[in-house]
Amino acid sequence: DAKTTQPNSMESNEEEPVHLPCNHSTISGTDYIHWYRQLPSQGPEYVIHGLTSNVNNRMASLAIAEDRKSSTLILHRATLRDAAVYYCILRDIDTGRRALTFGSGTRLQVQP
Amino acid sequence: GAVVSQHPSRVICKSGTSVKIECRSLDFQATTMFWYRQFPKQSLMLMATSNEGSKATYEQGVEKDKFLINHASLTLSTLTVTSAHPEDSSFYICSARGTSRSNEQFFGPGTRLTVL
Repeated sequence: DAKTTQPNSMESNEEEPVHLPCNHSTISGTDYIHWYRQLPSQGPEYVIHGLTSNVNNRMASLAIAEDRKSSTLILHRATLRDAAVYYCILRDIDTGRRALTFGSGTRLQVQP
Repeated sequence: GAVVSQHPSRVICKSGTSVKIECRSLDFQATTMFWYRQFPKQSLMLMATSNEGSKATYEQGVEKDKFLINHASLTLSTLTVTSAHPEDSSFYICSARGTSRSNEQFFGPGTRLTVL
């Protein structure tokens, strides 16, 4: 799977929007962009994924650059419960049956 | 959504004993289950992939005789840490991939193992 680069940590204030960036300059045309998050002492949970178009769901929005070399996970109103490590992962449609490979992710701290 | 459970959620054992961790897919059949290990402040590292009814495939550097994996049914996989030592203390996380949900992986809540 292609490599992604994320900042080690970010801080946000409660009820403010958070933009978590991810660079993936070597992304291929068949790579989907997935985001997972891991709350403290829990297993990872799926957040969102997309291919080319921006995506929205009840948890977050995913903004994908036109050249697909970067993407941004947007939490519209951060809550204390959103404090977690967020992982940006690329998955090729052809090798999607393999296990997810996790990088170091971004540790998000949310201040009250 | 699909639910994966793990049991126990935490276990403390003495050095030299064996510990079994169960991973169950509660509302779907999991043809493939993955086992990860996570040390404090580090990311998840894949240990092995198990397919129902066949032998597990271990990642490089993971001892198959120490970490025994059994995937005897479509809803249950077990990881047994044999002759555990303090350096095996870690957070063990399983995930399952079903047949009806394309390639999405669902994760269990993890098992915290502490070896004294």
